Amino acid sequence: ETGVTQSPTHLIKTRGQQVTLRCSSQSGHNTVSWYQQALGQGPQFIFQYYREEENGRGNFPPRFSGLQFPNYSSELNVNALELDDSALYLCASSLVGQGNIQYFGAGTRLSVL
Amino acid sequence: GENVEQHPSTLSVQEGDSAVIKCTYSDSASNYFPWYKQELGKRPQLIIDIRSNVGEKKDQRIAVTLNKTAKHFSLHITETQPEDSAVYFCAASRGGATNKLIFGTGTLLAVQP
Repeated sequence: ETGVTQSPTHLIKTRGQQVTLRCSSQSGHNTVSWYQQALGQGPQFIFQYYREEENGRGNFPPRFSGLQFPNYSSELNVNALELDDSALYLCASSLVGQGNIQYFGAGTRLSVL
Repeated sequence: GENVEQHPSTLSVQEGDSAVIKCTYSDSASNYFPWYKQELGKRPQLIIDIRSNVGEKKDQRIAVTLNKTAKHFSLHITETQPEDSAVYFCAASRGGATNKLIFGTGTLLAVQP
């Protein structure tokens, strides 16, 4: 196991709603990245947080936002859900200066109806 | 833009045979290349990685080769076993402050007993 946990495991929402996904990083890891994995695709980078600040973002609209807390936990928030937001959302934690190896959680499966 | 192409998309081998998966990256500044194995419904698991200062790395039955000039890297699995069956993803990263991973589209490996 990687020590990275995500909650909830599964979630069903309707279009237009808002959702918050949670991630608990491996102890001591100061960086968390979030990825969206559509069915049959590779993970797509959403953004990364380092020491509670966003320090990189992929090609996702502003309705995707995040937070990182001092206790190594983090959140991914998605507003105004669209059907295409249905996917597996993965977080990965890493430690800057230790090879930046990313360890993934098991993900949250989000279904938007 | 940044892109990683991965081939083949599916690969079926007999138990005991070798399997090779190939990736090509577009960003010449990439310097870190991990491979992840993802079993159905589970987290991506790092199986091996290579950095741009080496050309080959081996760990038991798994090896990765890197050709920086051609911007190619490959995963080699020898003496395949049924438990090797999974989806394999290659990825590339620049490392540094934002070590986002750019993933390939995945290869479904089926090892027939």
